[in-house]
Amino acid sequence: DGGITQSPKYLFRKEGQNVTLSCEQNLNHDAMYWYRQDPGQGLRLIYYSQIVNDFQKGDIAEGYSVSREKKESFPLTVTSAQKNPTAFYLCASSWETANTYNEQFFGPGTRLTVL
Amino acid sequence: EDQVTQSPEALRLQEGESSSLNCSYTVSGLRGLFWYRQDPGKGPEFLFTLYSAGEEKEKERLKATLTKKESFLHITAPKPEDSATYLCAVRAFTGGGNKLTFGTGTQLKVEL
Repeated sequence: DGGITQSPKYLFRKEGQNVTLSCEQNLNHDAMYWYRQDPGQGLRLIYYSQIVNDFQKGDIAEGYSVSREKKESFPLTVTSAQKNPTAFYLCASSWETANTYNEQFFGPGTRLTVL
Repeated sequence: EDQVTQSPEALRLQEGESSSLNCSYTVSGLRGLFWYRQDPGKGPEFLFTLYSAGEEKEKERLKATLTKKESFLHITAPKPEDSATYLCAVRAFTGGGNKLTFGTGTQLKVEL
């Protein structure tokens, strides 16, 4: 089955810790994205990558870091500099073609809670 | 700045009671409007993409329409399994990446 997987489903972090959220896709999509979802707010873009070894900051990148060493994988690290990390994190991917704007497909999400 | 406003925030329907959800948008050059369905604790599930005013798309009990200022998601004779949060997002011409701006969603509850 083609799709996007995220792990873990639930993650608990202590103050001052860095944690890494995994996102893998086998859809052969070029572009991958990380969003954060908080109650009462729309999804907000953290980082995105259109091609391997390249990524750009989204609207709320402070306190987060990413890497894109493989087409299939786009891990997100939540660093201790992120002051309010408790949220639902969503990874997405899409085809990236010139002059077309393609739908993004989402993974099941990771719920991060700071203890 | 691109903006997406969805209304109502919450909607409660009886089974079989048709209704519409609204998504109003302000963007500098629309390059696509997307509808998603999200169940509690899960990732959004893609429903439709609309690209130009006048376009319509249908899937089972759902029909999405688009004008120059808003989109509607019409739900005909809903069933309890249609209960979910429906999200609207727009892609505008920003020149950099396939970035979407999301609304806050409409939470739909369909009761027997």
